[in-house]
Amino acid sequence: QKEVEQNSGPLSVPEGAIASLNCTYSDRGSQSFFWYRQYSGKSPELIMFIYSNGDKEDGRFTAQLNKASQYVSLLIRDSQPSDSATYLCAVNMEDTGFQKLVFGTGTRLLVSP
Amino acid sequence: DAGVTQSPTHLIKTRGQHVTLRCSPISGHKSVSWYQQVLGQGPQFIFQYYEKEERGRGNFPDRFSARQFPNYSSELNVNALLLGDSALYLCASSSSMGQVSFGNGTRLTVT
Repeated sequence: QKEVEQNSGPLSVPEGAIASLNCTYSDRGSQSFFWYRQYSGKSPELIMFIYSNGDKEDGRFTAQLNKASQYVSLLIRDSQPSDSATYLCAVNMEDTGFQKLVFGTGTRLLVSP
Repeated sequence: DAGVTQSPTHLIKTRGQHVTLRCSPISGHKSVSWYQQVLGQGPQFIFQYYEKEERGRGNFPDRFSARQFPNYSSELNVNALLLGDSALYLCASSSSMGQVSFGNGTRLTVT
């Protein structure tokens, strides 16, 4: 079982729609969760982080966390063509005495005009 | 403030050669981590350093090594390069809240 799982996509949505990106993780002890956006050929850019169960909103982005279900999601409202990118879910996991970020393979989002 | 800076941006090496990648963290960040991202995959953890000490190592062979300097900058070294080492190498620095910011990466091509 992969530690962090995402649907690779592509997820295609029309401009102005809501894009919903999902992620599940295996480590019940994880406390910190992150969403990164990565444009082709570029490095990942942190767009959201969430530590507590529930929703966290920042502009057009909402991160949702359900620790009981080991599930994290990212909603993008009013999707724009510039949102077309790969979205990486990352979970901070405990390893032998330190914590490391474990990434999913990413979901490719395509927003059509 | 400058973000995480990495050099070089691109590098082409042949099999068997050695490579050194460099990274400077965000000012005030004492923790540096290295990740490898091959095409189509998420970044994979290689090393984490804090206050010049190795805190953790991912599942990479001993050909991979790193160090952190007193100014918190870091180097990643890879010996005896293989074709499979071709990837984007990302350096990240961490805030006290655990938020990880990446540099622009070094694109390594091994031929």
